[in-house]
Amino acid sequence: DVKVTQSSRYLVKRTGEKVFLECVQDMDHENMFWYRQDPGLGLRLIYFSYDVKMKEKGDIPEGYSVSREKKERFSLILESASTNQTSMYLCASNFDGAYEQYFGPGTRLTVT
Amino acid sequence: AQKVTQAQTEISVVEKEDVTLDCVYETRDTTYYLFWYKQPPSGELVFLIRRNSFDEQNEISGRYSWNFQKSTSSFNFTITASQVVDSAVYFCALSVPLIQGAQKLVFGQGTRLTINP
Repeated sequence: DVKVTQSSRYLVKRTGEKVFLECVQDMDHENMFWYRQDPGLGLRLIYFSYDVKMKEKGDIPEGYSVSREKKERFSLILESASTNQTSMYLCASNFDGAYEQYFGPGTRLTVT
Repeated sequence: AQKVTQAQTEISVVEKEDVTLDCVYETRDTTYYLFWYKQPPSGELVFLIRRNSFDEQNEISGRYSWNFQKSTSSFNFTITASQVVDSAVYFCALSVPLIQGAQKLVFGQGTRLTINP
């Protein structure tokens, strides 16, 4: 079974804090993705990575950065958390090509 | 630009009723893929089906069936004889090419389906 894990299910942080969200996949997938999910908006792509150390901006990258030092691990970083970054964050991975993406359980982040 | 629209925000039916979730998409790509995902209360998105743009055959998997019509840019999902365990948020998604073989998914807003006993 494909497994994508995320470091936390729930996280509460204060405005201005630096936040790290970690994602690990065990299927040797080339591609990894970070989405955020907001009511009425579906899921929107923040960043993706197609190889180690390679990253590309998605549709809403402002306020975020990412790191992929190992193939199985993809981190999302909020340099200075703000209240408008309160959301559900979902990590996904897949092989090259239009194959289905496998999702982690999500991290519900609240910034106060 | 690519777009997916799920006009039904919420649907509520009684168990054993049939229910259809609508999905309409927009794309200028000639080759693309469509997906349905289920998000139960636990939060994790579960893959249900992938369809490519060249295959318009309907697909049936148990109580689930999908109707892909390129002429109307629709990819609808029907649950027959619904059960309480089908209660979830369902997302339709469209693949969009990125770089280096990667594809992102453009998601609809989701339809919250509630099956009442």
